[in-house]
Amino acid sequence: SAVISQKPSRDICQRGTSLTIQCQVDSQVTMMFWYRQQPGQSLTLIATANQGSEATYESGFVIDKFPISRPNLTFSTLTVSNMSPEDSSIYLCSVQTLSSYEQYFGPGTRLTVT
Amino acid sequence: AQSVTQPDIHITVSEGASLELRCNYSYGATPYLFWYVQSPGQGLQLLLKYFSGDTLVQGIKGFEAEFKRSQSSFNLRKPSVHWSDAAEYFCAVGDSGGYNKLIFGAGTRLAVHP
Repeated sequence: SAVISQKPSRDICQRGTSLTIQCQVDSQVTMMFWYRQQPGQSLTLIATANQGSEATYESGFVIDKFPISRPNLTFSTLTVSNMSPEDSSIYLCSVQTLSSYEQYFGPGTRLTVT
Repeated sequence: AQSVTQPDIHITVSEGASLELRCNYSYGATPYLFWYVQSPGQGLQLLLKYFSGDTLVQGIKGFEAEFKRSQSSFNLRKPSVHWSDAAEYFCAVGDSGGYNKLIFGAGTRLAVHP
């Protein structure tokens, strides 16, 4: 398995501002993913963070709103830009290890936009 | 397109009773299937997975799941539920086309009565 940390664990932000969420894993991983979990809902994949290339976004998510960086095999960031109350969610990072198809999740970042 | 259905939004069982959480999937080929548990305020923890081979898989915390191709199901079971099992349970199917992004079901919230 992998140990994943996310910063911040929670934040309250004002409308129109941006927040960058960090995801750090304790070992090298092939794939990193960013998911959104809206209040009382299931998880929806935002994008796949590829090391050394542009992230791959799912339908309904765009780079201008959710820019992602993946500078190396253990770290990624997700920025939520120009936030509105509808962006209030838990944002989770997950990783897929080099040796298996298992995915492990970070503890999540609880974002509230006022 | 892949999809996952968890028919039961909310289930309540008595402590010590048996448990079965239902999961049905739609996928063209042999799927990669997962069950995750999310305790309040926590990230997701992988309970068990199915990739191939034996259709009855054992997981952590005494859980097991059975893959039934004919029914497109991957139901989660536990013979005797503990109060600490109260949580949200998510079934997910993995996309085997190159990388393993996950499609999640809506989740089943489990309550345990003493």
